[in-house]
Amino acid sequence: QQQVKQSPQSLIVQKGGISIINCAYENTAFDYFPWYQQFPGKGPALLIAIRPDVSEKKEGRFTISFNKSAKQFSLHIMDSQPGDSATYFCAATYSGNTPLVFGKGTRLSVIA
Amino acid sequence: DAGVTQSPTHLIKTRGQQVTLRCSPKSGHDTVSWYQQALGQGPQFIFQYYEEEERQRGNFPDRFSGHQFPNYSSELNVNALLLGDSALYLCASTTGGEVYGYTFGSGTRLTVV
Repeated sequence: QQQVKQSPQSLIVQKGGISIINCAYENTAFDYFPWYQQFPGKGPALLIAIRPDVSEKKEGRFTISFNKSAKQFSLHIMDSQPGDSATYFCAATYSGNTPLVFGKGTRLSVIA
Repeated sequence: DAGVTQSPTHLIKTRGQQVTLRCSPKSGHDTVSWYQQALGQGPQFIFQYYEEEERQRGNFPDRFSGHQFPNYSSELNVNALLLGDSALYLCASTTGGEVYGYTFGSGTRLTVV
């Protein structure tokens, strides 16, 4: 019930392409879905987050798409750049004070 | 404005030893959570401290303990270290016991040999 399943495990995208990372969850009580970006030797940094009352949220080149009925959400990175090469984690929580449950991460490599 | 500060950045310990990791939260934050990130895995919640009390705990044995000080800084203690405790230990801070807007530190890389 507490799992968040993330795919793919790794992803290689050409510069300028679209990177898509998917996550699925089981616990319908989850009401906050953030994405974190982690560079080697650093802690995760909040990238963008969504609540289930909207189906999409866009911030610059980053978009979250949310499908409540399918219990899935995804991160789209438009015009991917080499500087986007990092590990991305999806996460979920509910009520604002329960611990974040993280996916296993996706290692993104953007090649020129 | 300093973010979350963790120390040390790296350390190596022997099986059976004890270790203490330290965290200073971001200015203005009063809640500290600790996560364990094994190689190639997502962070796993250990526990959260708010108002100097352990408020929530993940599925970790009692060998893992913590403390929060009046200045909101926190320590994570691990006793009787096992090889499987080797991981990146992350501290995240926020306010009011919430998880929204976590700020993570860069972590402490613990290697148990």
